[in-house]
Amino acid sequence: SQKIEQNSEALNIQEGKTATLTCNYTNYSPAYLQWYRQDPGRGPVFLLLIRENEKEKRKERLKVTFDTTLKQSLFHITASQPADSATYLCALDLSGGYNKLIFGAGTRLAVHP
Amino acid sequence: IAGITQAPTSQILAAGRRMTLRCTQDMRHNAMYWYRQDLGLGLRLIHYSNTAGTTGKGEVPDGYSVSRANTDDFPLTLASAVPSQTSVYFCASSDSSINGPPAFFGQGTRLTVV
Repeated sequence: SQKIEQNSEALNIQEGKTATLTCNYTNYSPAYLQWYRQDPGRGPVFLLLIRENEKEKRKERLKVTFDTTLKQSLFHITASQPADSATYLCALDLSGGYNKLIFGAGTRLAVHP
Repeated sequence: IAGITQAPTSQILAAGRRMTLRCTQDMRHNAMYWYRQDLGLGLRLIHYSNTAGTTGKGEVPDGYSVSRANTDDFPLTLASAVPSQTSVYFCASSDSSINGPPAFFGQGTRLTVV
């Protein structure tokens, strides 16, 4: 069956460390992979998009990698801050850019001072 | 501030009642979407619209209907609510003229069917 897996357990890290979140998928060949941040009681907020022909994408303290052979994306937050605490969602676009997204359940990140 | 507005923010609804969740965007995005989010599950696509006048079914369309009379509005209707439709509903939009656009989400509607 087709599915997207994100670590369901919360990730707890110390402020200043690098947080690494994993997104694994099976039986998909997405054109794009996106990462969103979601705070409690709020809608998801877009962070980064990476295309199937890109290995890595960076934005400020964020870095995303995309390995279509392993069917895996890694999402890194460097120099993490307590304000980075949130749930991070991985989403695959299987519609060639029309944004009909398949989401993982998300990983909750807690950054402790 | 430009964005997506959903209404109501929350609602308790008796089973069997009809309900329309409203969604309006002011970004002139051509594509709009409705997702539901349940605990432990990822957001699941209910219906979408690539442009005004067209709609399509997503992953979990049963029990829901949508319309897209104009660019800005994309209401979601539950014709006869059932408890399994208890969820948080998110409306989203994107500019599909961009190659691989991000989706912008509303704040959500928390619906409880009793």
